[in-house]
Formats: sequence, C-alpha cells, structure tokens
Amino acid sequence: GENVEQHPSTLSVQEGDSAVIKCTYSDSASNYFPWYKQELGKRPQLIIDIRSNVGEKKDQRIAVTLNKTAKHFSLHITETQPEDSAVYFCAAITGGGNKLTFGTGTQLKVEL
Amino acid sequence: DAGVTQSPTHLIKTRGQQVTLRCSPKSGHDTVSWYQQALGQGPQFIFQYYEEEERQRGNFPDRFSGHQFPNYSSELNVNALLLGDSALYLCASSKGTGGKQPQHFGDGTRLSIL
Repeated sequence: GENVEQHPSTLSVQEGDSAVIKCTYSDSASNYFPWYKQELGKRPQLIIDIRSNVGEKKDQRIAVTLNKTAKHFSLHITETQPEDSAVYFCAAITGGGNKLTFGTGTQLKVEL
Repeated sequence: DAGVTQSPTHLIKTRGQQVTLRCSPKSGHDTVSWYQQALGQGPQFIFQYYEEEERQRGNFPDRFSGHQFPNYSSELNVNALLLGDSALYLCASSKGTGGKQPQHFGDGTRLSIL
C-alpha cells in the first residue's frame, strides 16, 4: 500500500508551547519524507525534510524524527508563534520514483 | 531566482469543456509533477514528466493528460470536465527523478466547474 496517515487533524496550542504532528506510512520502500506548511490560499511550502538514512533533523525551531522500523515520522515545532498557524502536511515518496503521497493535514492554531 | 510559476491563477469552466493549465519549473529543475488538491484535503499525485515523457501516473482517468516541452515547462490538460474536477491544481518541480529530491510548488490554478 501507499497510504500516509496523519494525526491529529486539528491542534491548538498556546504561544510558546510545543506542537507535535505524527505520521505513519505503509510503503516500506519509502526513503524521503518532506513536511509542507500551507497557509490559507497559498502554495504548500517545504519547511523541512528527512531522508531514510537519518533519524533526526533540526532547523531552528523545527525538527523531524524518523523511525523506519515503526514506519512513522513526526514534526516538532518548539516555541510556537502565531505565524506558525497553518495547515501542515506530511508526505512520503511512495511507489518508486519521486511520487509524493500526502497525509490528510493538520490544522495548527497558535493562540495568544 | 524564479520559483515555480503557474497560469492562470483562476479559471471557471462548465461541465464537458476542456482546460489547459501551464507550469514553468524553478530554475535548474527539469522534472514537473502535477497534483490535485480538493478543498480540505492533501494534494493527490496526478502524473510526473521528465525528459518530455510521462514517468509516473497516479490514480486519475485518461481524461487527464499532459505534456512537457524542451524548456522543461509543462501543461496539464483535462477533457470532458466534471463537477468533481473542481480543485486547486498544483505544479511542483524538482531535479531528476531519482527520489529524495525536494519538490517545490507553485501557487496553483483554482479551477471551478459550473
């Protein structure tokens, strides 16, 4: 199969708190896992990605972890800010090539 | 450094009509993928073009077709439009087809079918 499951579908946090979004994938051949942020009416923006030979990657307040054995990966955002509010999509390369299969999205709301 | 550009931004068609959407990839990229994003959902892969050939295809009927030009730009054509084709159509470009390559999206074309 080539499914990517994502949860939660909505996430509300207070400014300054951390947010975690989790995804699981079914294609054991998947080897690349990007995360996209999509603000209302705008393009999906690549914010971080991880390859299968790495367990964790950080970029300032954003980090991604990958557990290949369990086939899951997570996005961690620390010190959340109101401008982090958006829909976040996880994705995985599936079926060979570089076809991306996306999760169903998480609506993150950072409240003041 | 120009990013991925798509045209038109919005389009309104009626059932049964045909539509052509256009995409210019990011400078240095040679691979173009097309995705359909229905409201409230994640993008769904339609197909991918590299070296002017369709390399991969998602679960879309053959009403959806495409083309890639020698300058790497691409077109998405949809025939016999249905109400369910209403969506945001996104183009993403990348370098090569070997996987593990970041895909960068354009702003999309919002297609509405009446």
